[in-house]
Amino acid sequence: DAGVIQSPRHEVTEMGQEVTLRCKPISGHNSLFWYRQTMMRGLELLIYFNNNVPIDDSGMPEDRFSAKMPNASFSTLKIQPSEPRDSAVYFCASSHPLAGYEQFFGPGTRLTVL
Amino acid sequence: EDQVTQSPEALRLQEGESSSLNCSYTVSGLRGLFWYRQDPGKGPEFLFTLYSAGEEKEKERLKATLTKKESFLHITAPKPEDSATYLCAFTGGGNKLTFGTGTQLKVEL
Repeated sequence: DAGVIQSPRHEVTEMGQEVTLRCKPISGHNSLFWYRQTMMRGLELLIYFNNNVPIDDSGMPEDRFSAKMPNASFSTLKIQPSEPRDSAVYFCASSHPLAGYEQFFGPGTRLTVL
Repeated sequence: EDQVTQSPEALRLQEGESSSLNCSYTVSGLRGLFWYRQDPGKGPEFLFTLYSAGEEKEKERLKATLTKKESFLHITAPKPEDSATYLCAFTGGGNKLTFGTGTQLKVEL
């Protein structure tokens, strides 16, 4: 299996621009998670989906952030408008219903907002 | 509030020098305690899940243990390739994991 796939791997944008991060979970996994990692705050859960339905979005910092999962093999995290404080590494992870609560992470997208 | 604290923040070992990393937790109704390894520029890699006090799991030079208040990741005779950041996380039920801030391990020749 290819594992969790994220794109792009690096994104540099200017403040105010829209940013879209993409994720393809492992085939057969029915839960998908978006995390943000910074030196100051560590790894934080932003939102997660079960069977394509958002379950908990309490970690989404503000209305500028939105996430969708239109089907079982694709999800997006959008930031509009972006701000310098959004600079971080964003990870997508997925898990299988019969594998306990183990989550498998993608390689991440490093976002820099200038 | 449920939380997890990892110590030390950073640890430097000589090759072959065994040690332990600590993960202290206060969780009402722990359903799982997880250990992950993260290399620079990569996503966390799953290592172990522990479900109940007294449980132990091993993988190569790593052994994870769990008590009612904390978990330890024991590293026996480490090698330079064991250098990484080790993260612990917990769930009180459901799919949501809460991560600690990690221990950055450096193993030197």
